[in-house]
Amino acid sequence: ETGVTQSPTHLIKTRGQQVTLRCSSQSGHNTVSWYQQALGQGPQFIFQYYREEENGRGNFPPRFSGLQFPNYSSELNVNALELDDSALYLCASSLEVMTPLHFGNGTRLTVT
Amino acid sequence: AQTVTQSQPEMSVQEAETVTLSCTYDTSESDYYLFWYKQPPSRQMILVIRQEAYKQQNATENRFSVNFQKAAKSFSLKISDSQLGDAAMYFCAYRNPQGGSEKLVFGKGTKLTVNP
Repeated sequence: ETGVTQSPTHLIKTRGQQVTLRCSSQSGHNTVSWYQQALGQGPQFIFQYYREEENGRGNFPPRFSGLQFPNYSSELNVNALELDDSALYLCASSLEVMTPLHFGNGTRLTVT
Repeated sequence: AQTVTQSQPEMSVQEAETVTLSCTYDTSESDYYLFWYKQPPSRQMILVIRQEAYKQQNATENRFSVNFQKAAKSFSLKISDSQLGDAAMYFCAYRNPQGGSEKLVFGKGTKLTVNP
């Protein structure tokens, strides 16, 4: 197993900018989900992709969008960044829906 | 909407002792999963233990065990023979299997300190 890897580790952006976070899932993992973890809070579900289609979304505005690629990598895109978007963003993958999740180490995003 | 509450922001335990972390949840569903995750400073969420709601037997994984009280909607984690490596944030999480979503609902976490 190669694990779930996320890049970059840290990122600083300015309010109003756009950002793309990347995740490389374990080979064969068809499901990827993204979570936002604000400081001192538990992670909150953003959305999930299964076989390149979004099939679940949390309470996040449309400026949060994603993509999943056939090579088991995925992206989280956030447009028009706001100060409250500052958080740790976690990617998690699983072989199929309802099998154990494997999390990456996250990307720490700071919006100034 | 489902909610998960962890009422202990911080807990501490002496090495080799036992500690129990509390978690309550609210749901109208009868079929669901409950989890405890550990998040060390490396930030990676690591699954500690999992419980299926339809199973009456409490889950155990080596030094980790749960006390699952379905009627009371309570799901506590007991760590026996605590080790320095157990120090981390611990999150309780809920998942509803309906709809095929991987959505986990997390509590706010409990910071566990292990004293030598």
